[in-house]
Amino acid sequence: QSVLTQPPSVSEAPRQRVTISCSGSSSNIGNNAVNWYQQLPGKAPKLLIYYDDLLPSGVSDRFSGSKSGTSASLAISGLQSEDEADYYCAAWDDRLNGVVFGGGTKLTVL
Amino acid sequence: EVQLVESGGGLVQPGGSLRLSCAASGFTFSSYDMHWVRQATGKGLEWVSAIGTAGDTYYPGSVKGRFTISRENAKNSLYLQMNSLRAGDTAVYYCARDIGRGYFDLWGRGTLVTVSS
Repeated sequence: QSVLTQPPSVSEAPRQRVTISCSGSSSNIGNNAVNWYQQLPGKAPKLLIYYDDLLPSGVSDRFSGSKSGTSASLAISGLQSEDEADYYCAAWDDRLNGVVFGGGTKLTVL
Repeated sequence: EVQLVESGGGLVQPGGSLRLSCAASGFTFSSYDMHWVRQATGKGLEWVSAIGTAGDTYYPGSVKGRFTISRENAKNSLYLQMNSLRAGDTAVYYCARDIGRGYFDLWGRGTLVTVSS
């Protein structure tokens, strides 16, 4: 059971928009930045969004992040087949004094 | 090239020990907090340990007392000493560079640890 809660899977058609939610608590998302990672099949995770809504250099602006209270969301617009991957949210947890991850969401582009 | 390369994984019997290494290159290793994150086959990411630039260490309850993270800045290397290994520790272990409290901007390719008799 992960500390951060994500839907196990989402799916959407190409060129559409999808959102992935991440729910936590006051000790993690509510008081610390949320970061999102993309993991392509067989690859290491890659930083996608940091500090809630910032894009690292080289990441497409089709990806965006937001946060409100103890929940965060990742949005992907203009879906492409290469976006099929697992997506993880993560945040520091003040109570556990460590990093907590969501269980991951598998994105399928129909 | 800026990169992290893990090594030291392999097959170990339950109750055994293993030491993982992570070689850093292309950046000032001593300036960054470093972490280990693992992933069991078909499962999600799980944070395993962290070490700060001052040598302060952090662990989740699942590995505390069994795993020890350390670093050797002169060798640009991160280590994870794993003792009393269990089947549940079977996973790919990644080292990651931390920019700020869980913001991992650089990951290695991982090394597989299999705990089995």
